[in-house]
Amino acid sequence: LAKTTQPISMDSYEGQEVNITCSHNNIATNDYITWYQQFPSQGPRFIIQGYKTKVTNEVASLFIPADRKSSTLSLPRVSLSDTAVYYCLVGDIKTSYDKVIFGPGTSLSVIP
Amino acid sequence: NAGVTQTPKFQVLKTGQSMTLQCAQDMNHNSMYWYRQDPGMGLRLIYYSASEGTTDKGEVPNGYNVSRLNKREFSLRLESAAPSQTSVYFCASRRRAVLGYEQYFGPGTRLTVT
Repeated sequence: LAKTTQPISMDSYEGQEVNITCSHNNIATNDYITWYQQFPSQGPRFIIQGYKTKVTNEVASLFIPADRKSSTLSLPRVSLSDTAVYYCLVGDIKTSYDKVIFGPGTSLSVIP
Repeated sequence: NAGVTQTPKFQVLKTGQSMTLQCAQDMNHNSMYWYRQDPGMGLRLIYYSASEGTTDKGEVPNGYNVSRLNKREFSLRLESAAPSQTSVYFCASRRRAVLGYEQYFGPGTRLTVT
């Protein structure tokens, strides 16, 4: 599976839009992208998943350019409660590759 | 529907003691996982089980054993606890989603080894 690279940390003020970019230069044709969110003292939870172009749900948007070598998680108008670690993962659609490994993630701090 | 449950929530052990962390899911998922998370660090995969009756090593399996008792339960055993195993332990299960797969995590077990 493709290796992913994310910024280790980011700061943002409340009310701003936050974009977290994940690089996955070696992504394969069958790979999809998943983002998880982990609040302090909790287990991660699934946020959003996509293969190409744009996906939006009630929590976030995921932008994937045509070459799919990166993806950007967009959080609109963040609040203090969005302070969390965000993980980007790449998985294979066709096989159930079970060895799911998380990277260090991006620690987002929202400042009042 | 409780999702993924873990017991105990907190545990303090002395070096050399043993214990078993319990995990259960009621979502009928095939795959289950054990991760550890040290303070300020990301998740590291200890062991995983793709289906009932199978288990495989993850990134950091040394010092741990696992048992996939049935489809619902996946336990993690520390035979001789060491201070380096002080961590938060998360269990997860995984299901097929619309596009790929989605993991569900339990609340974690906070283990301190003195």
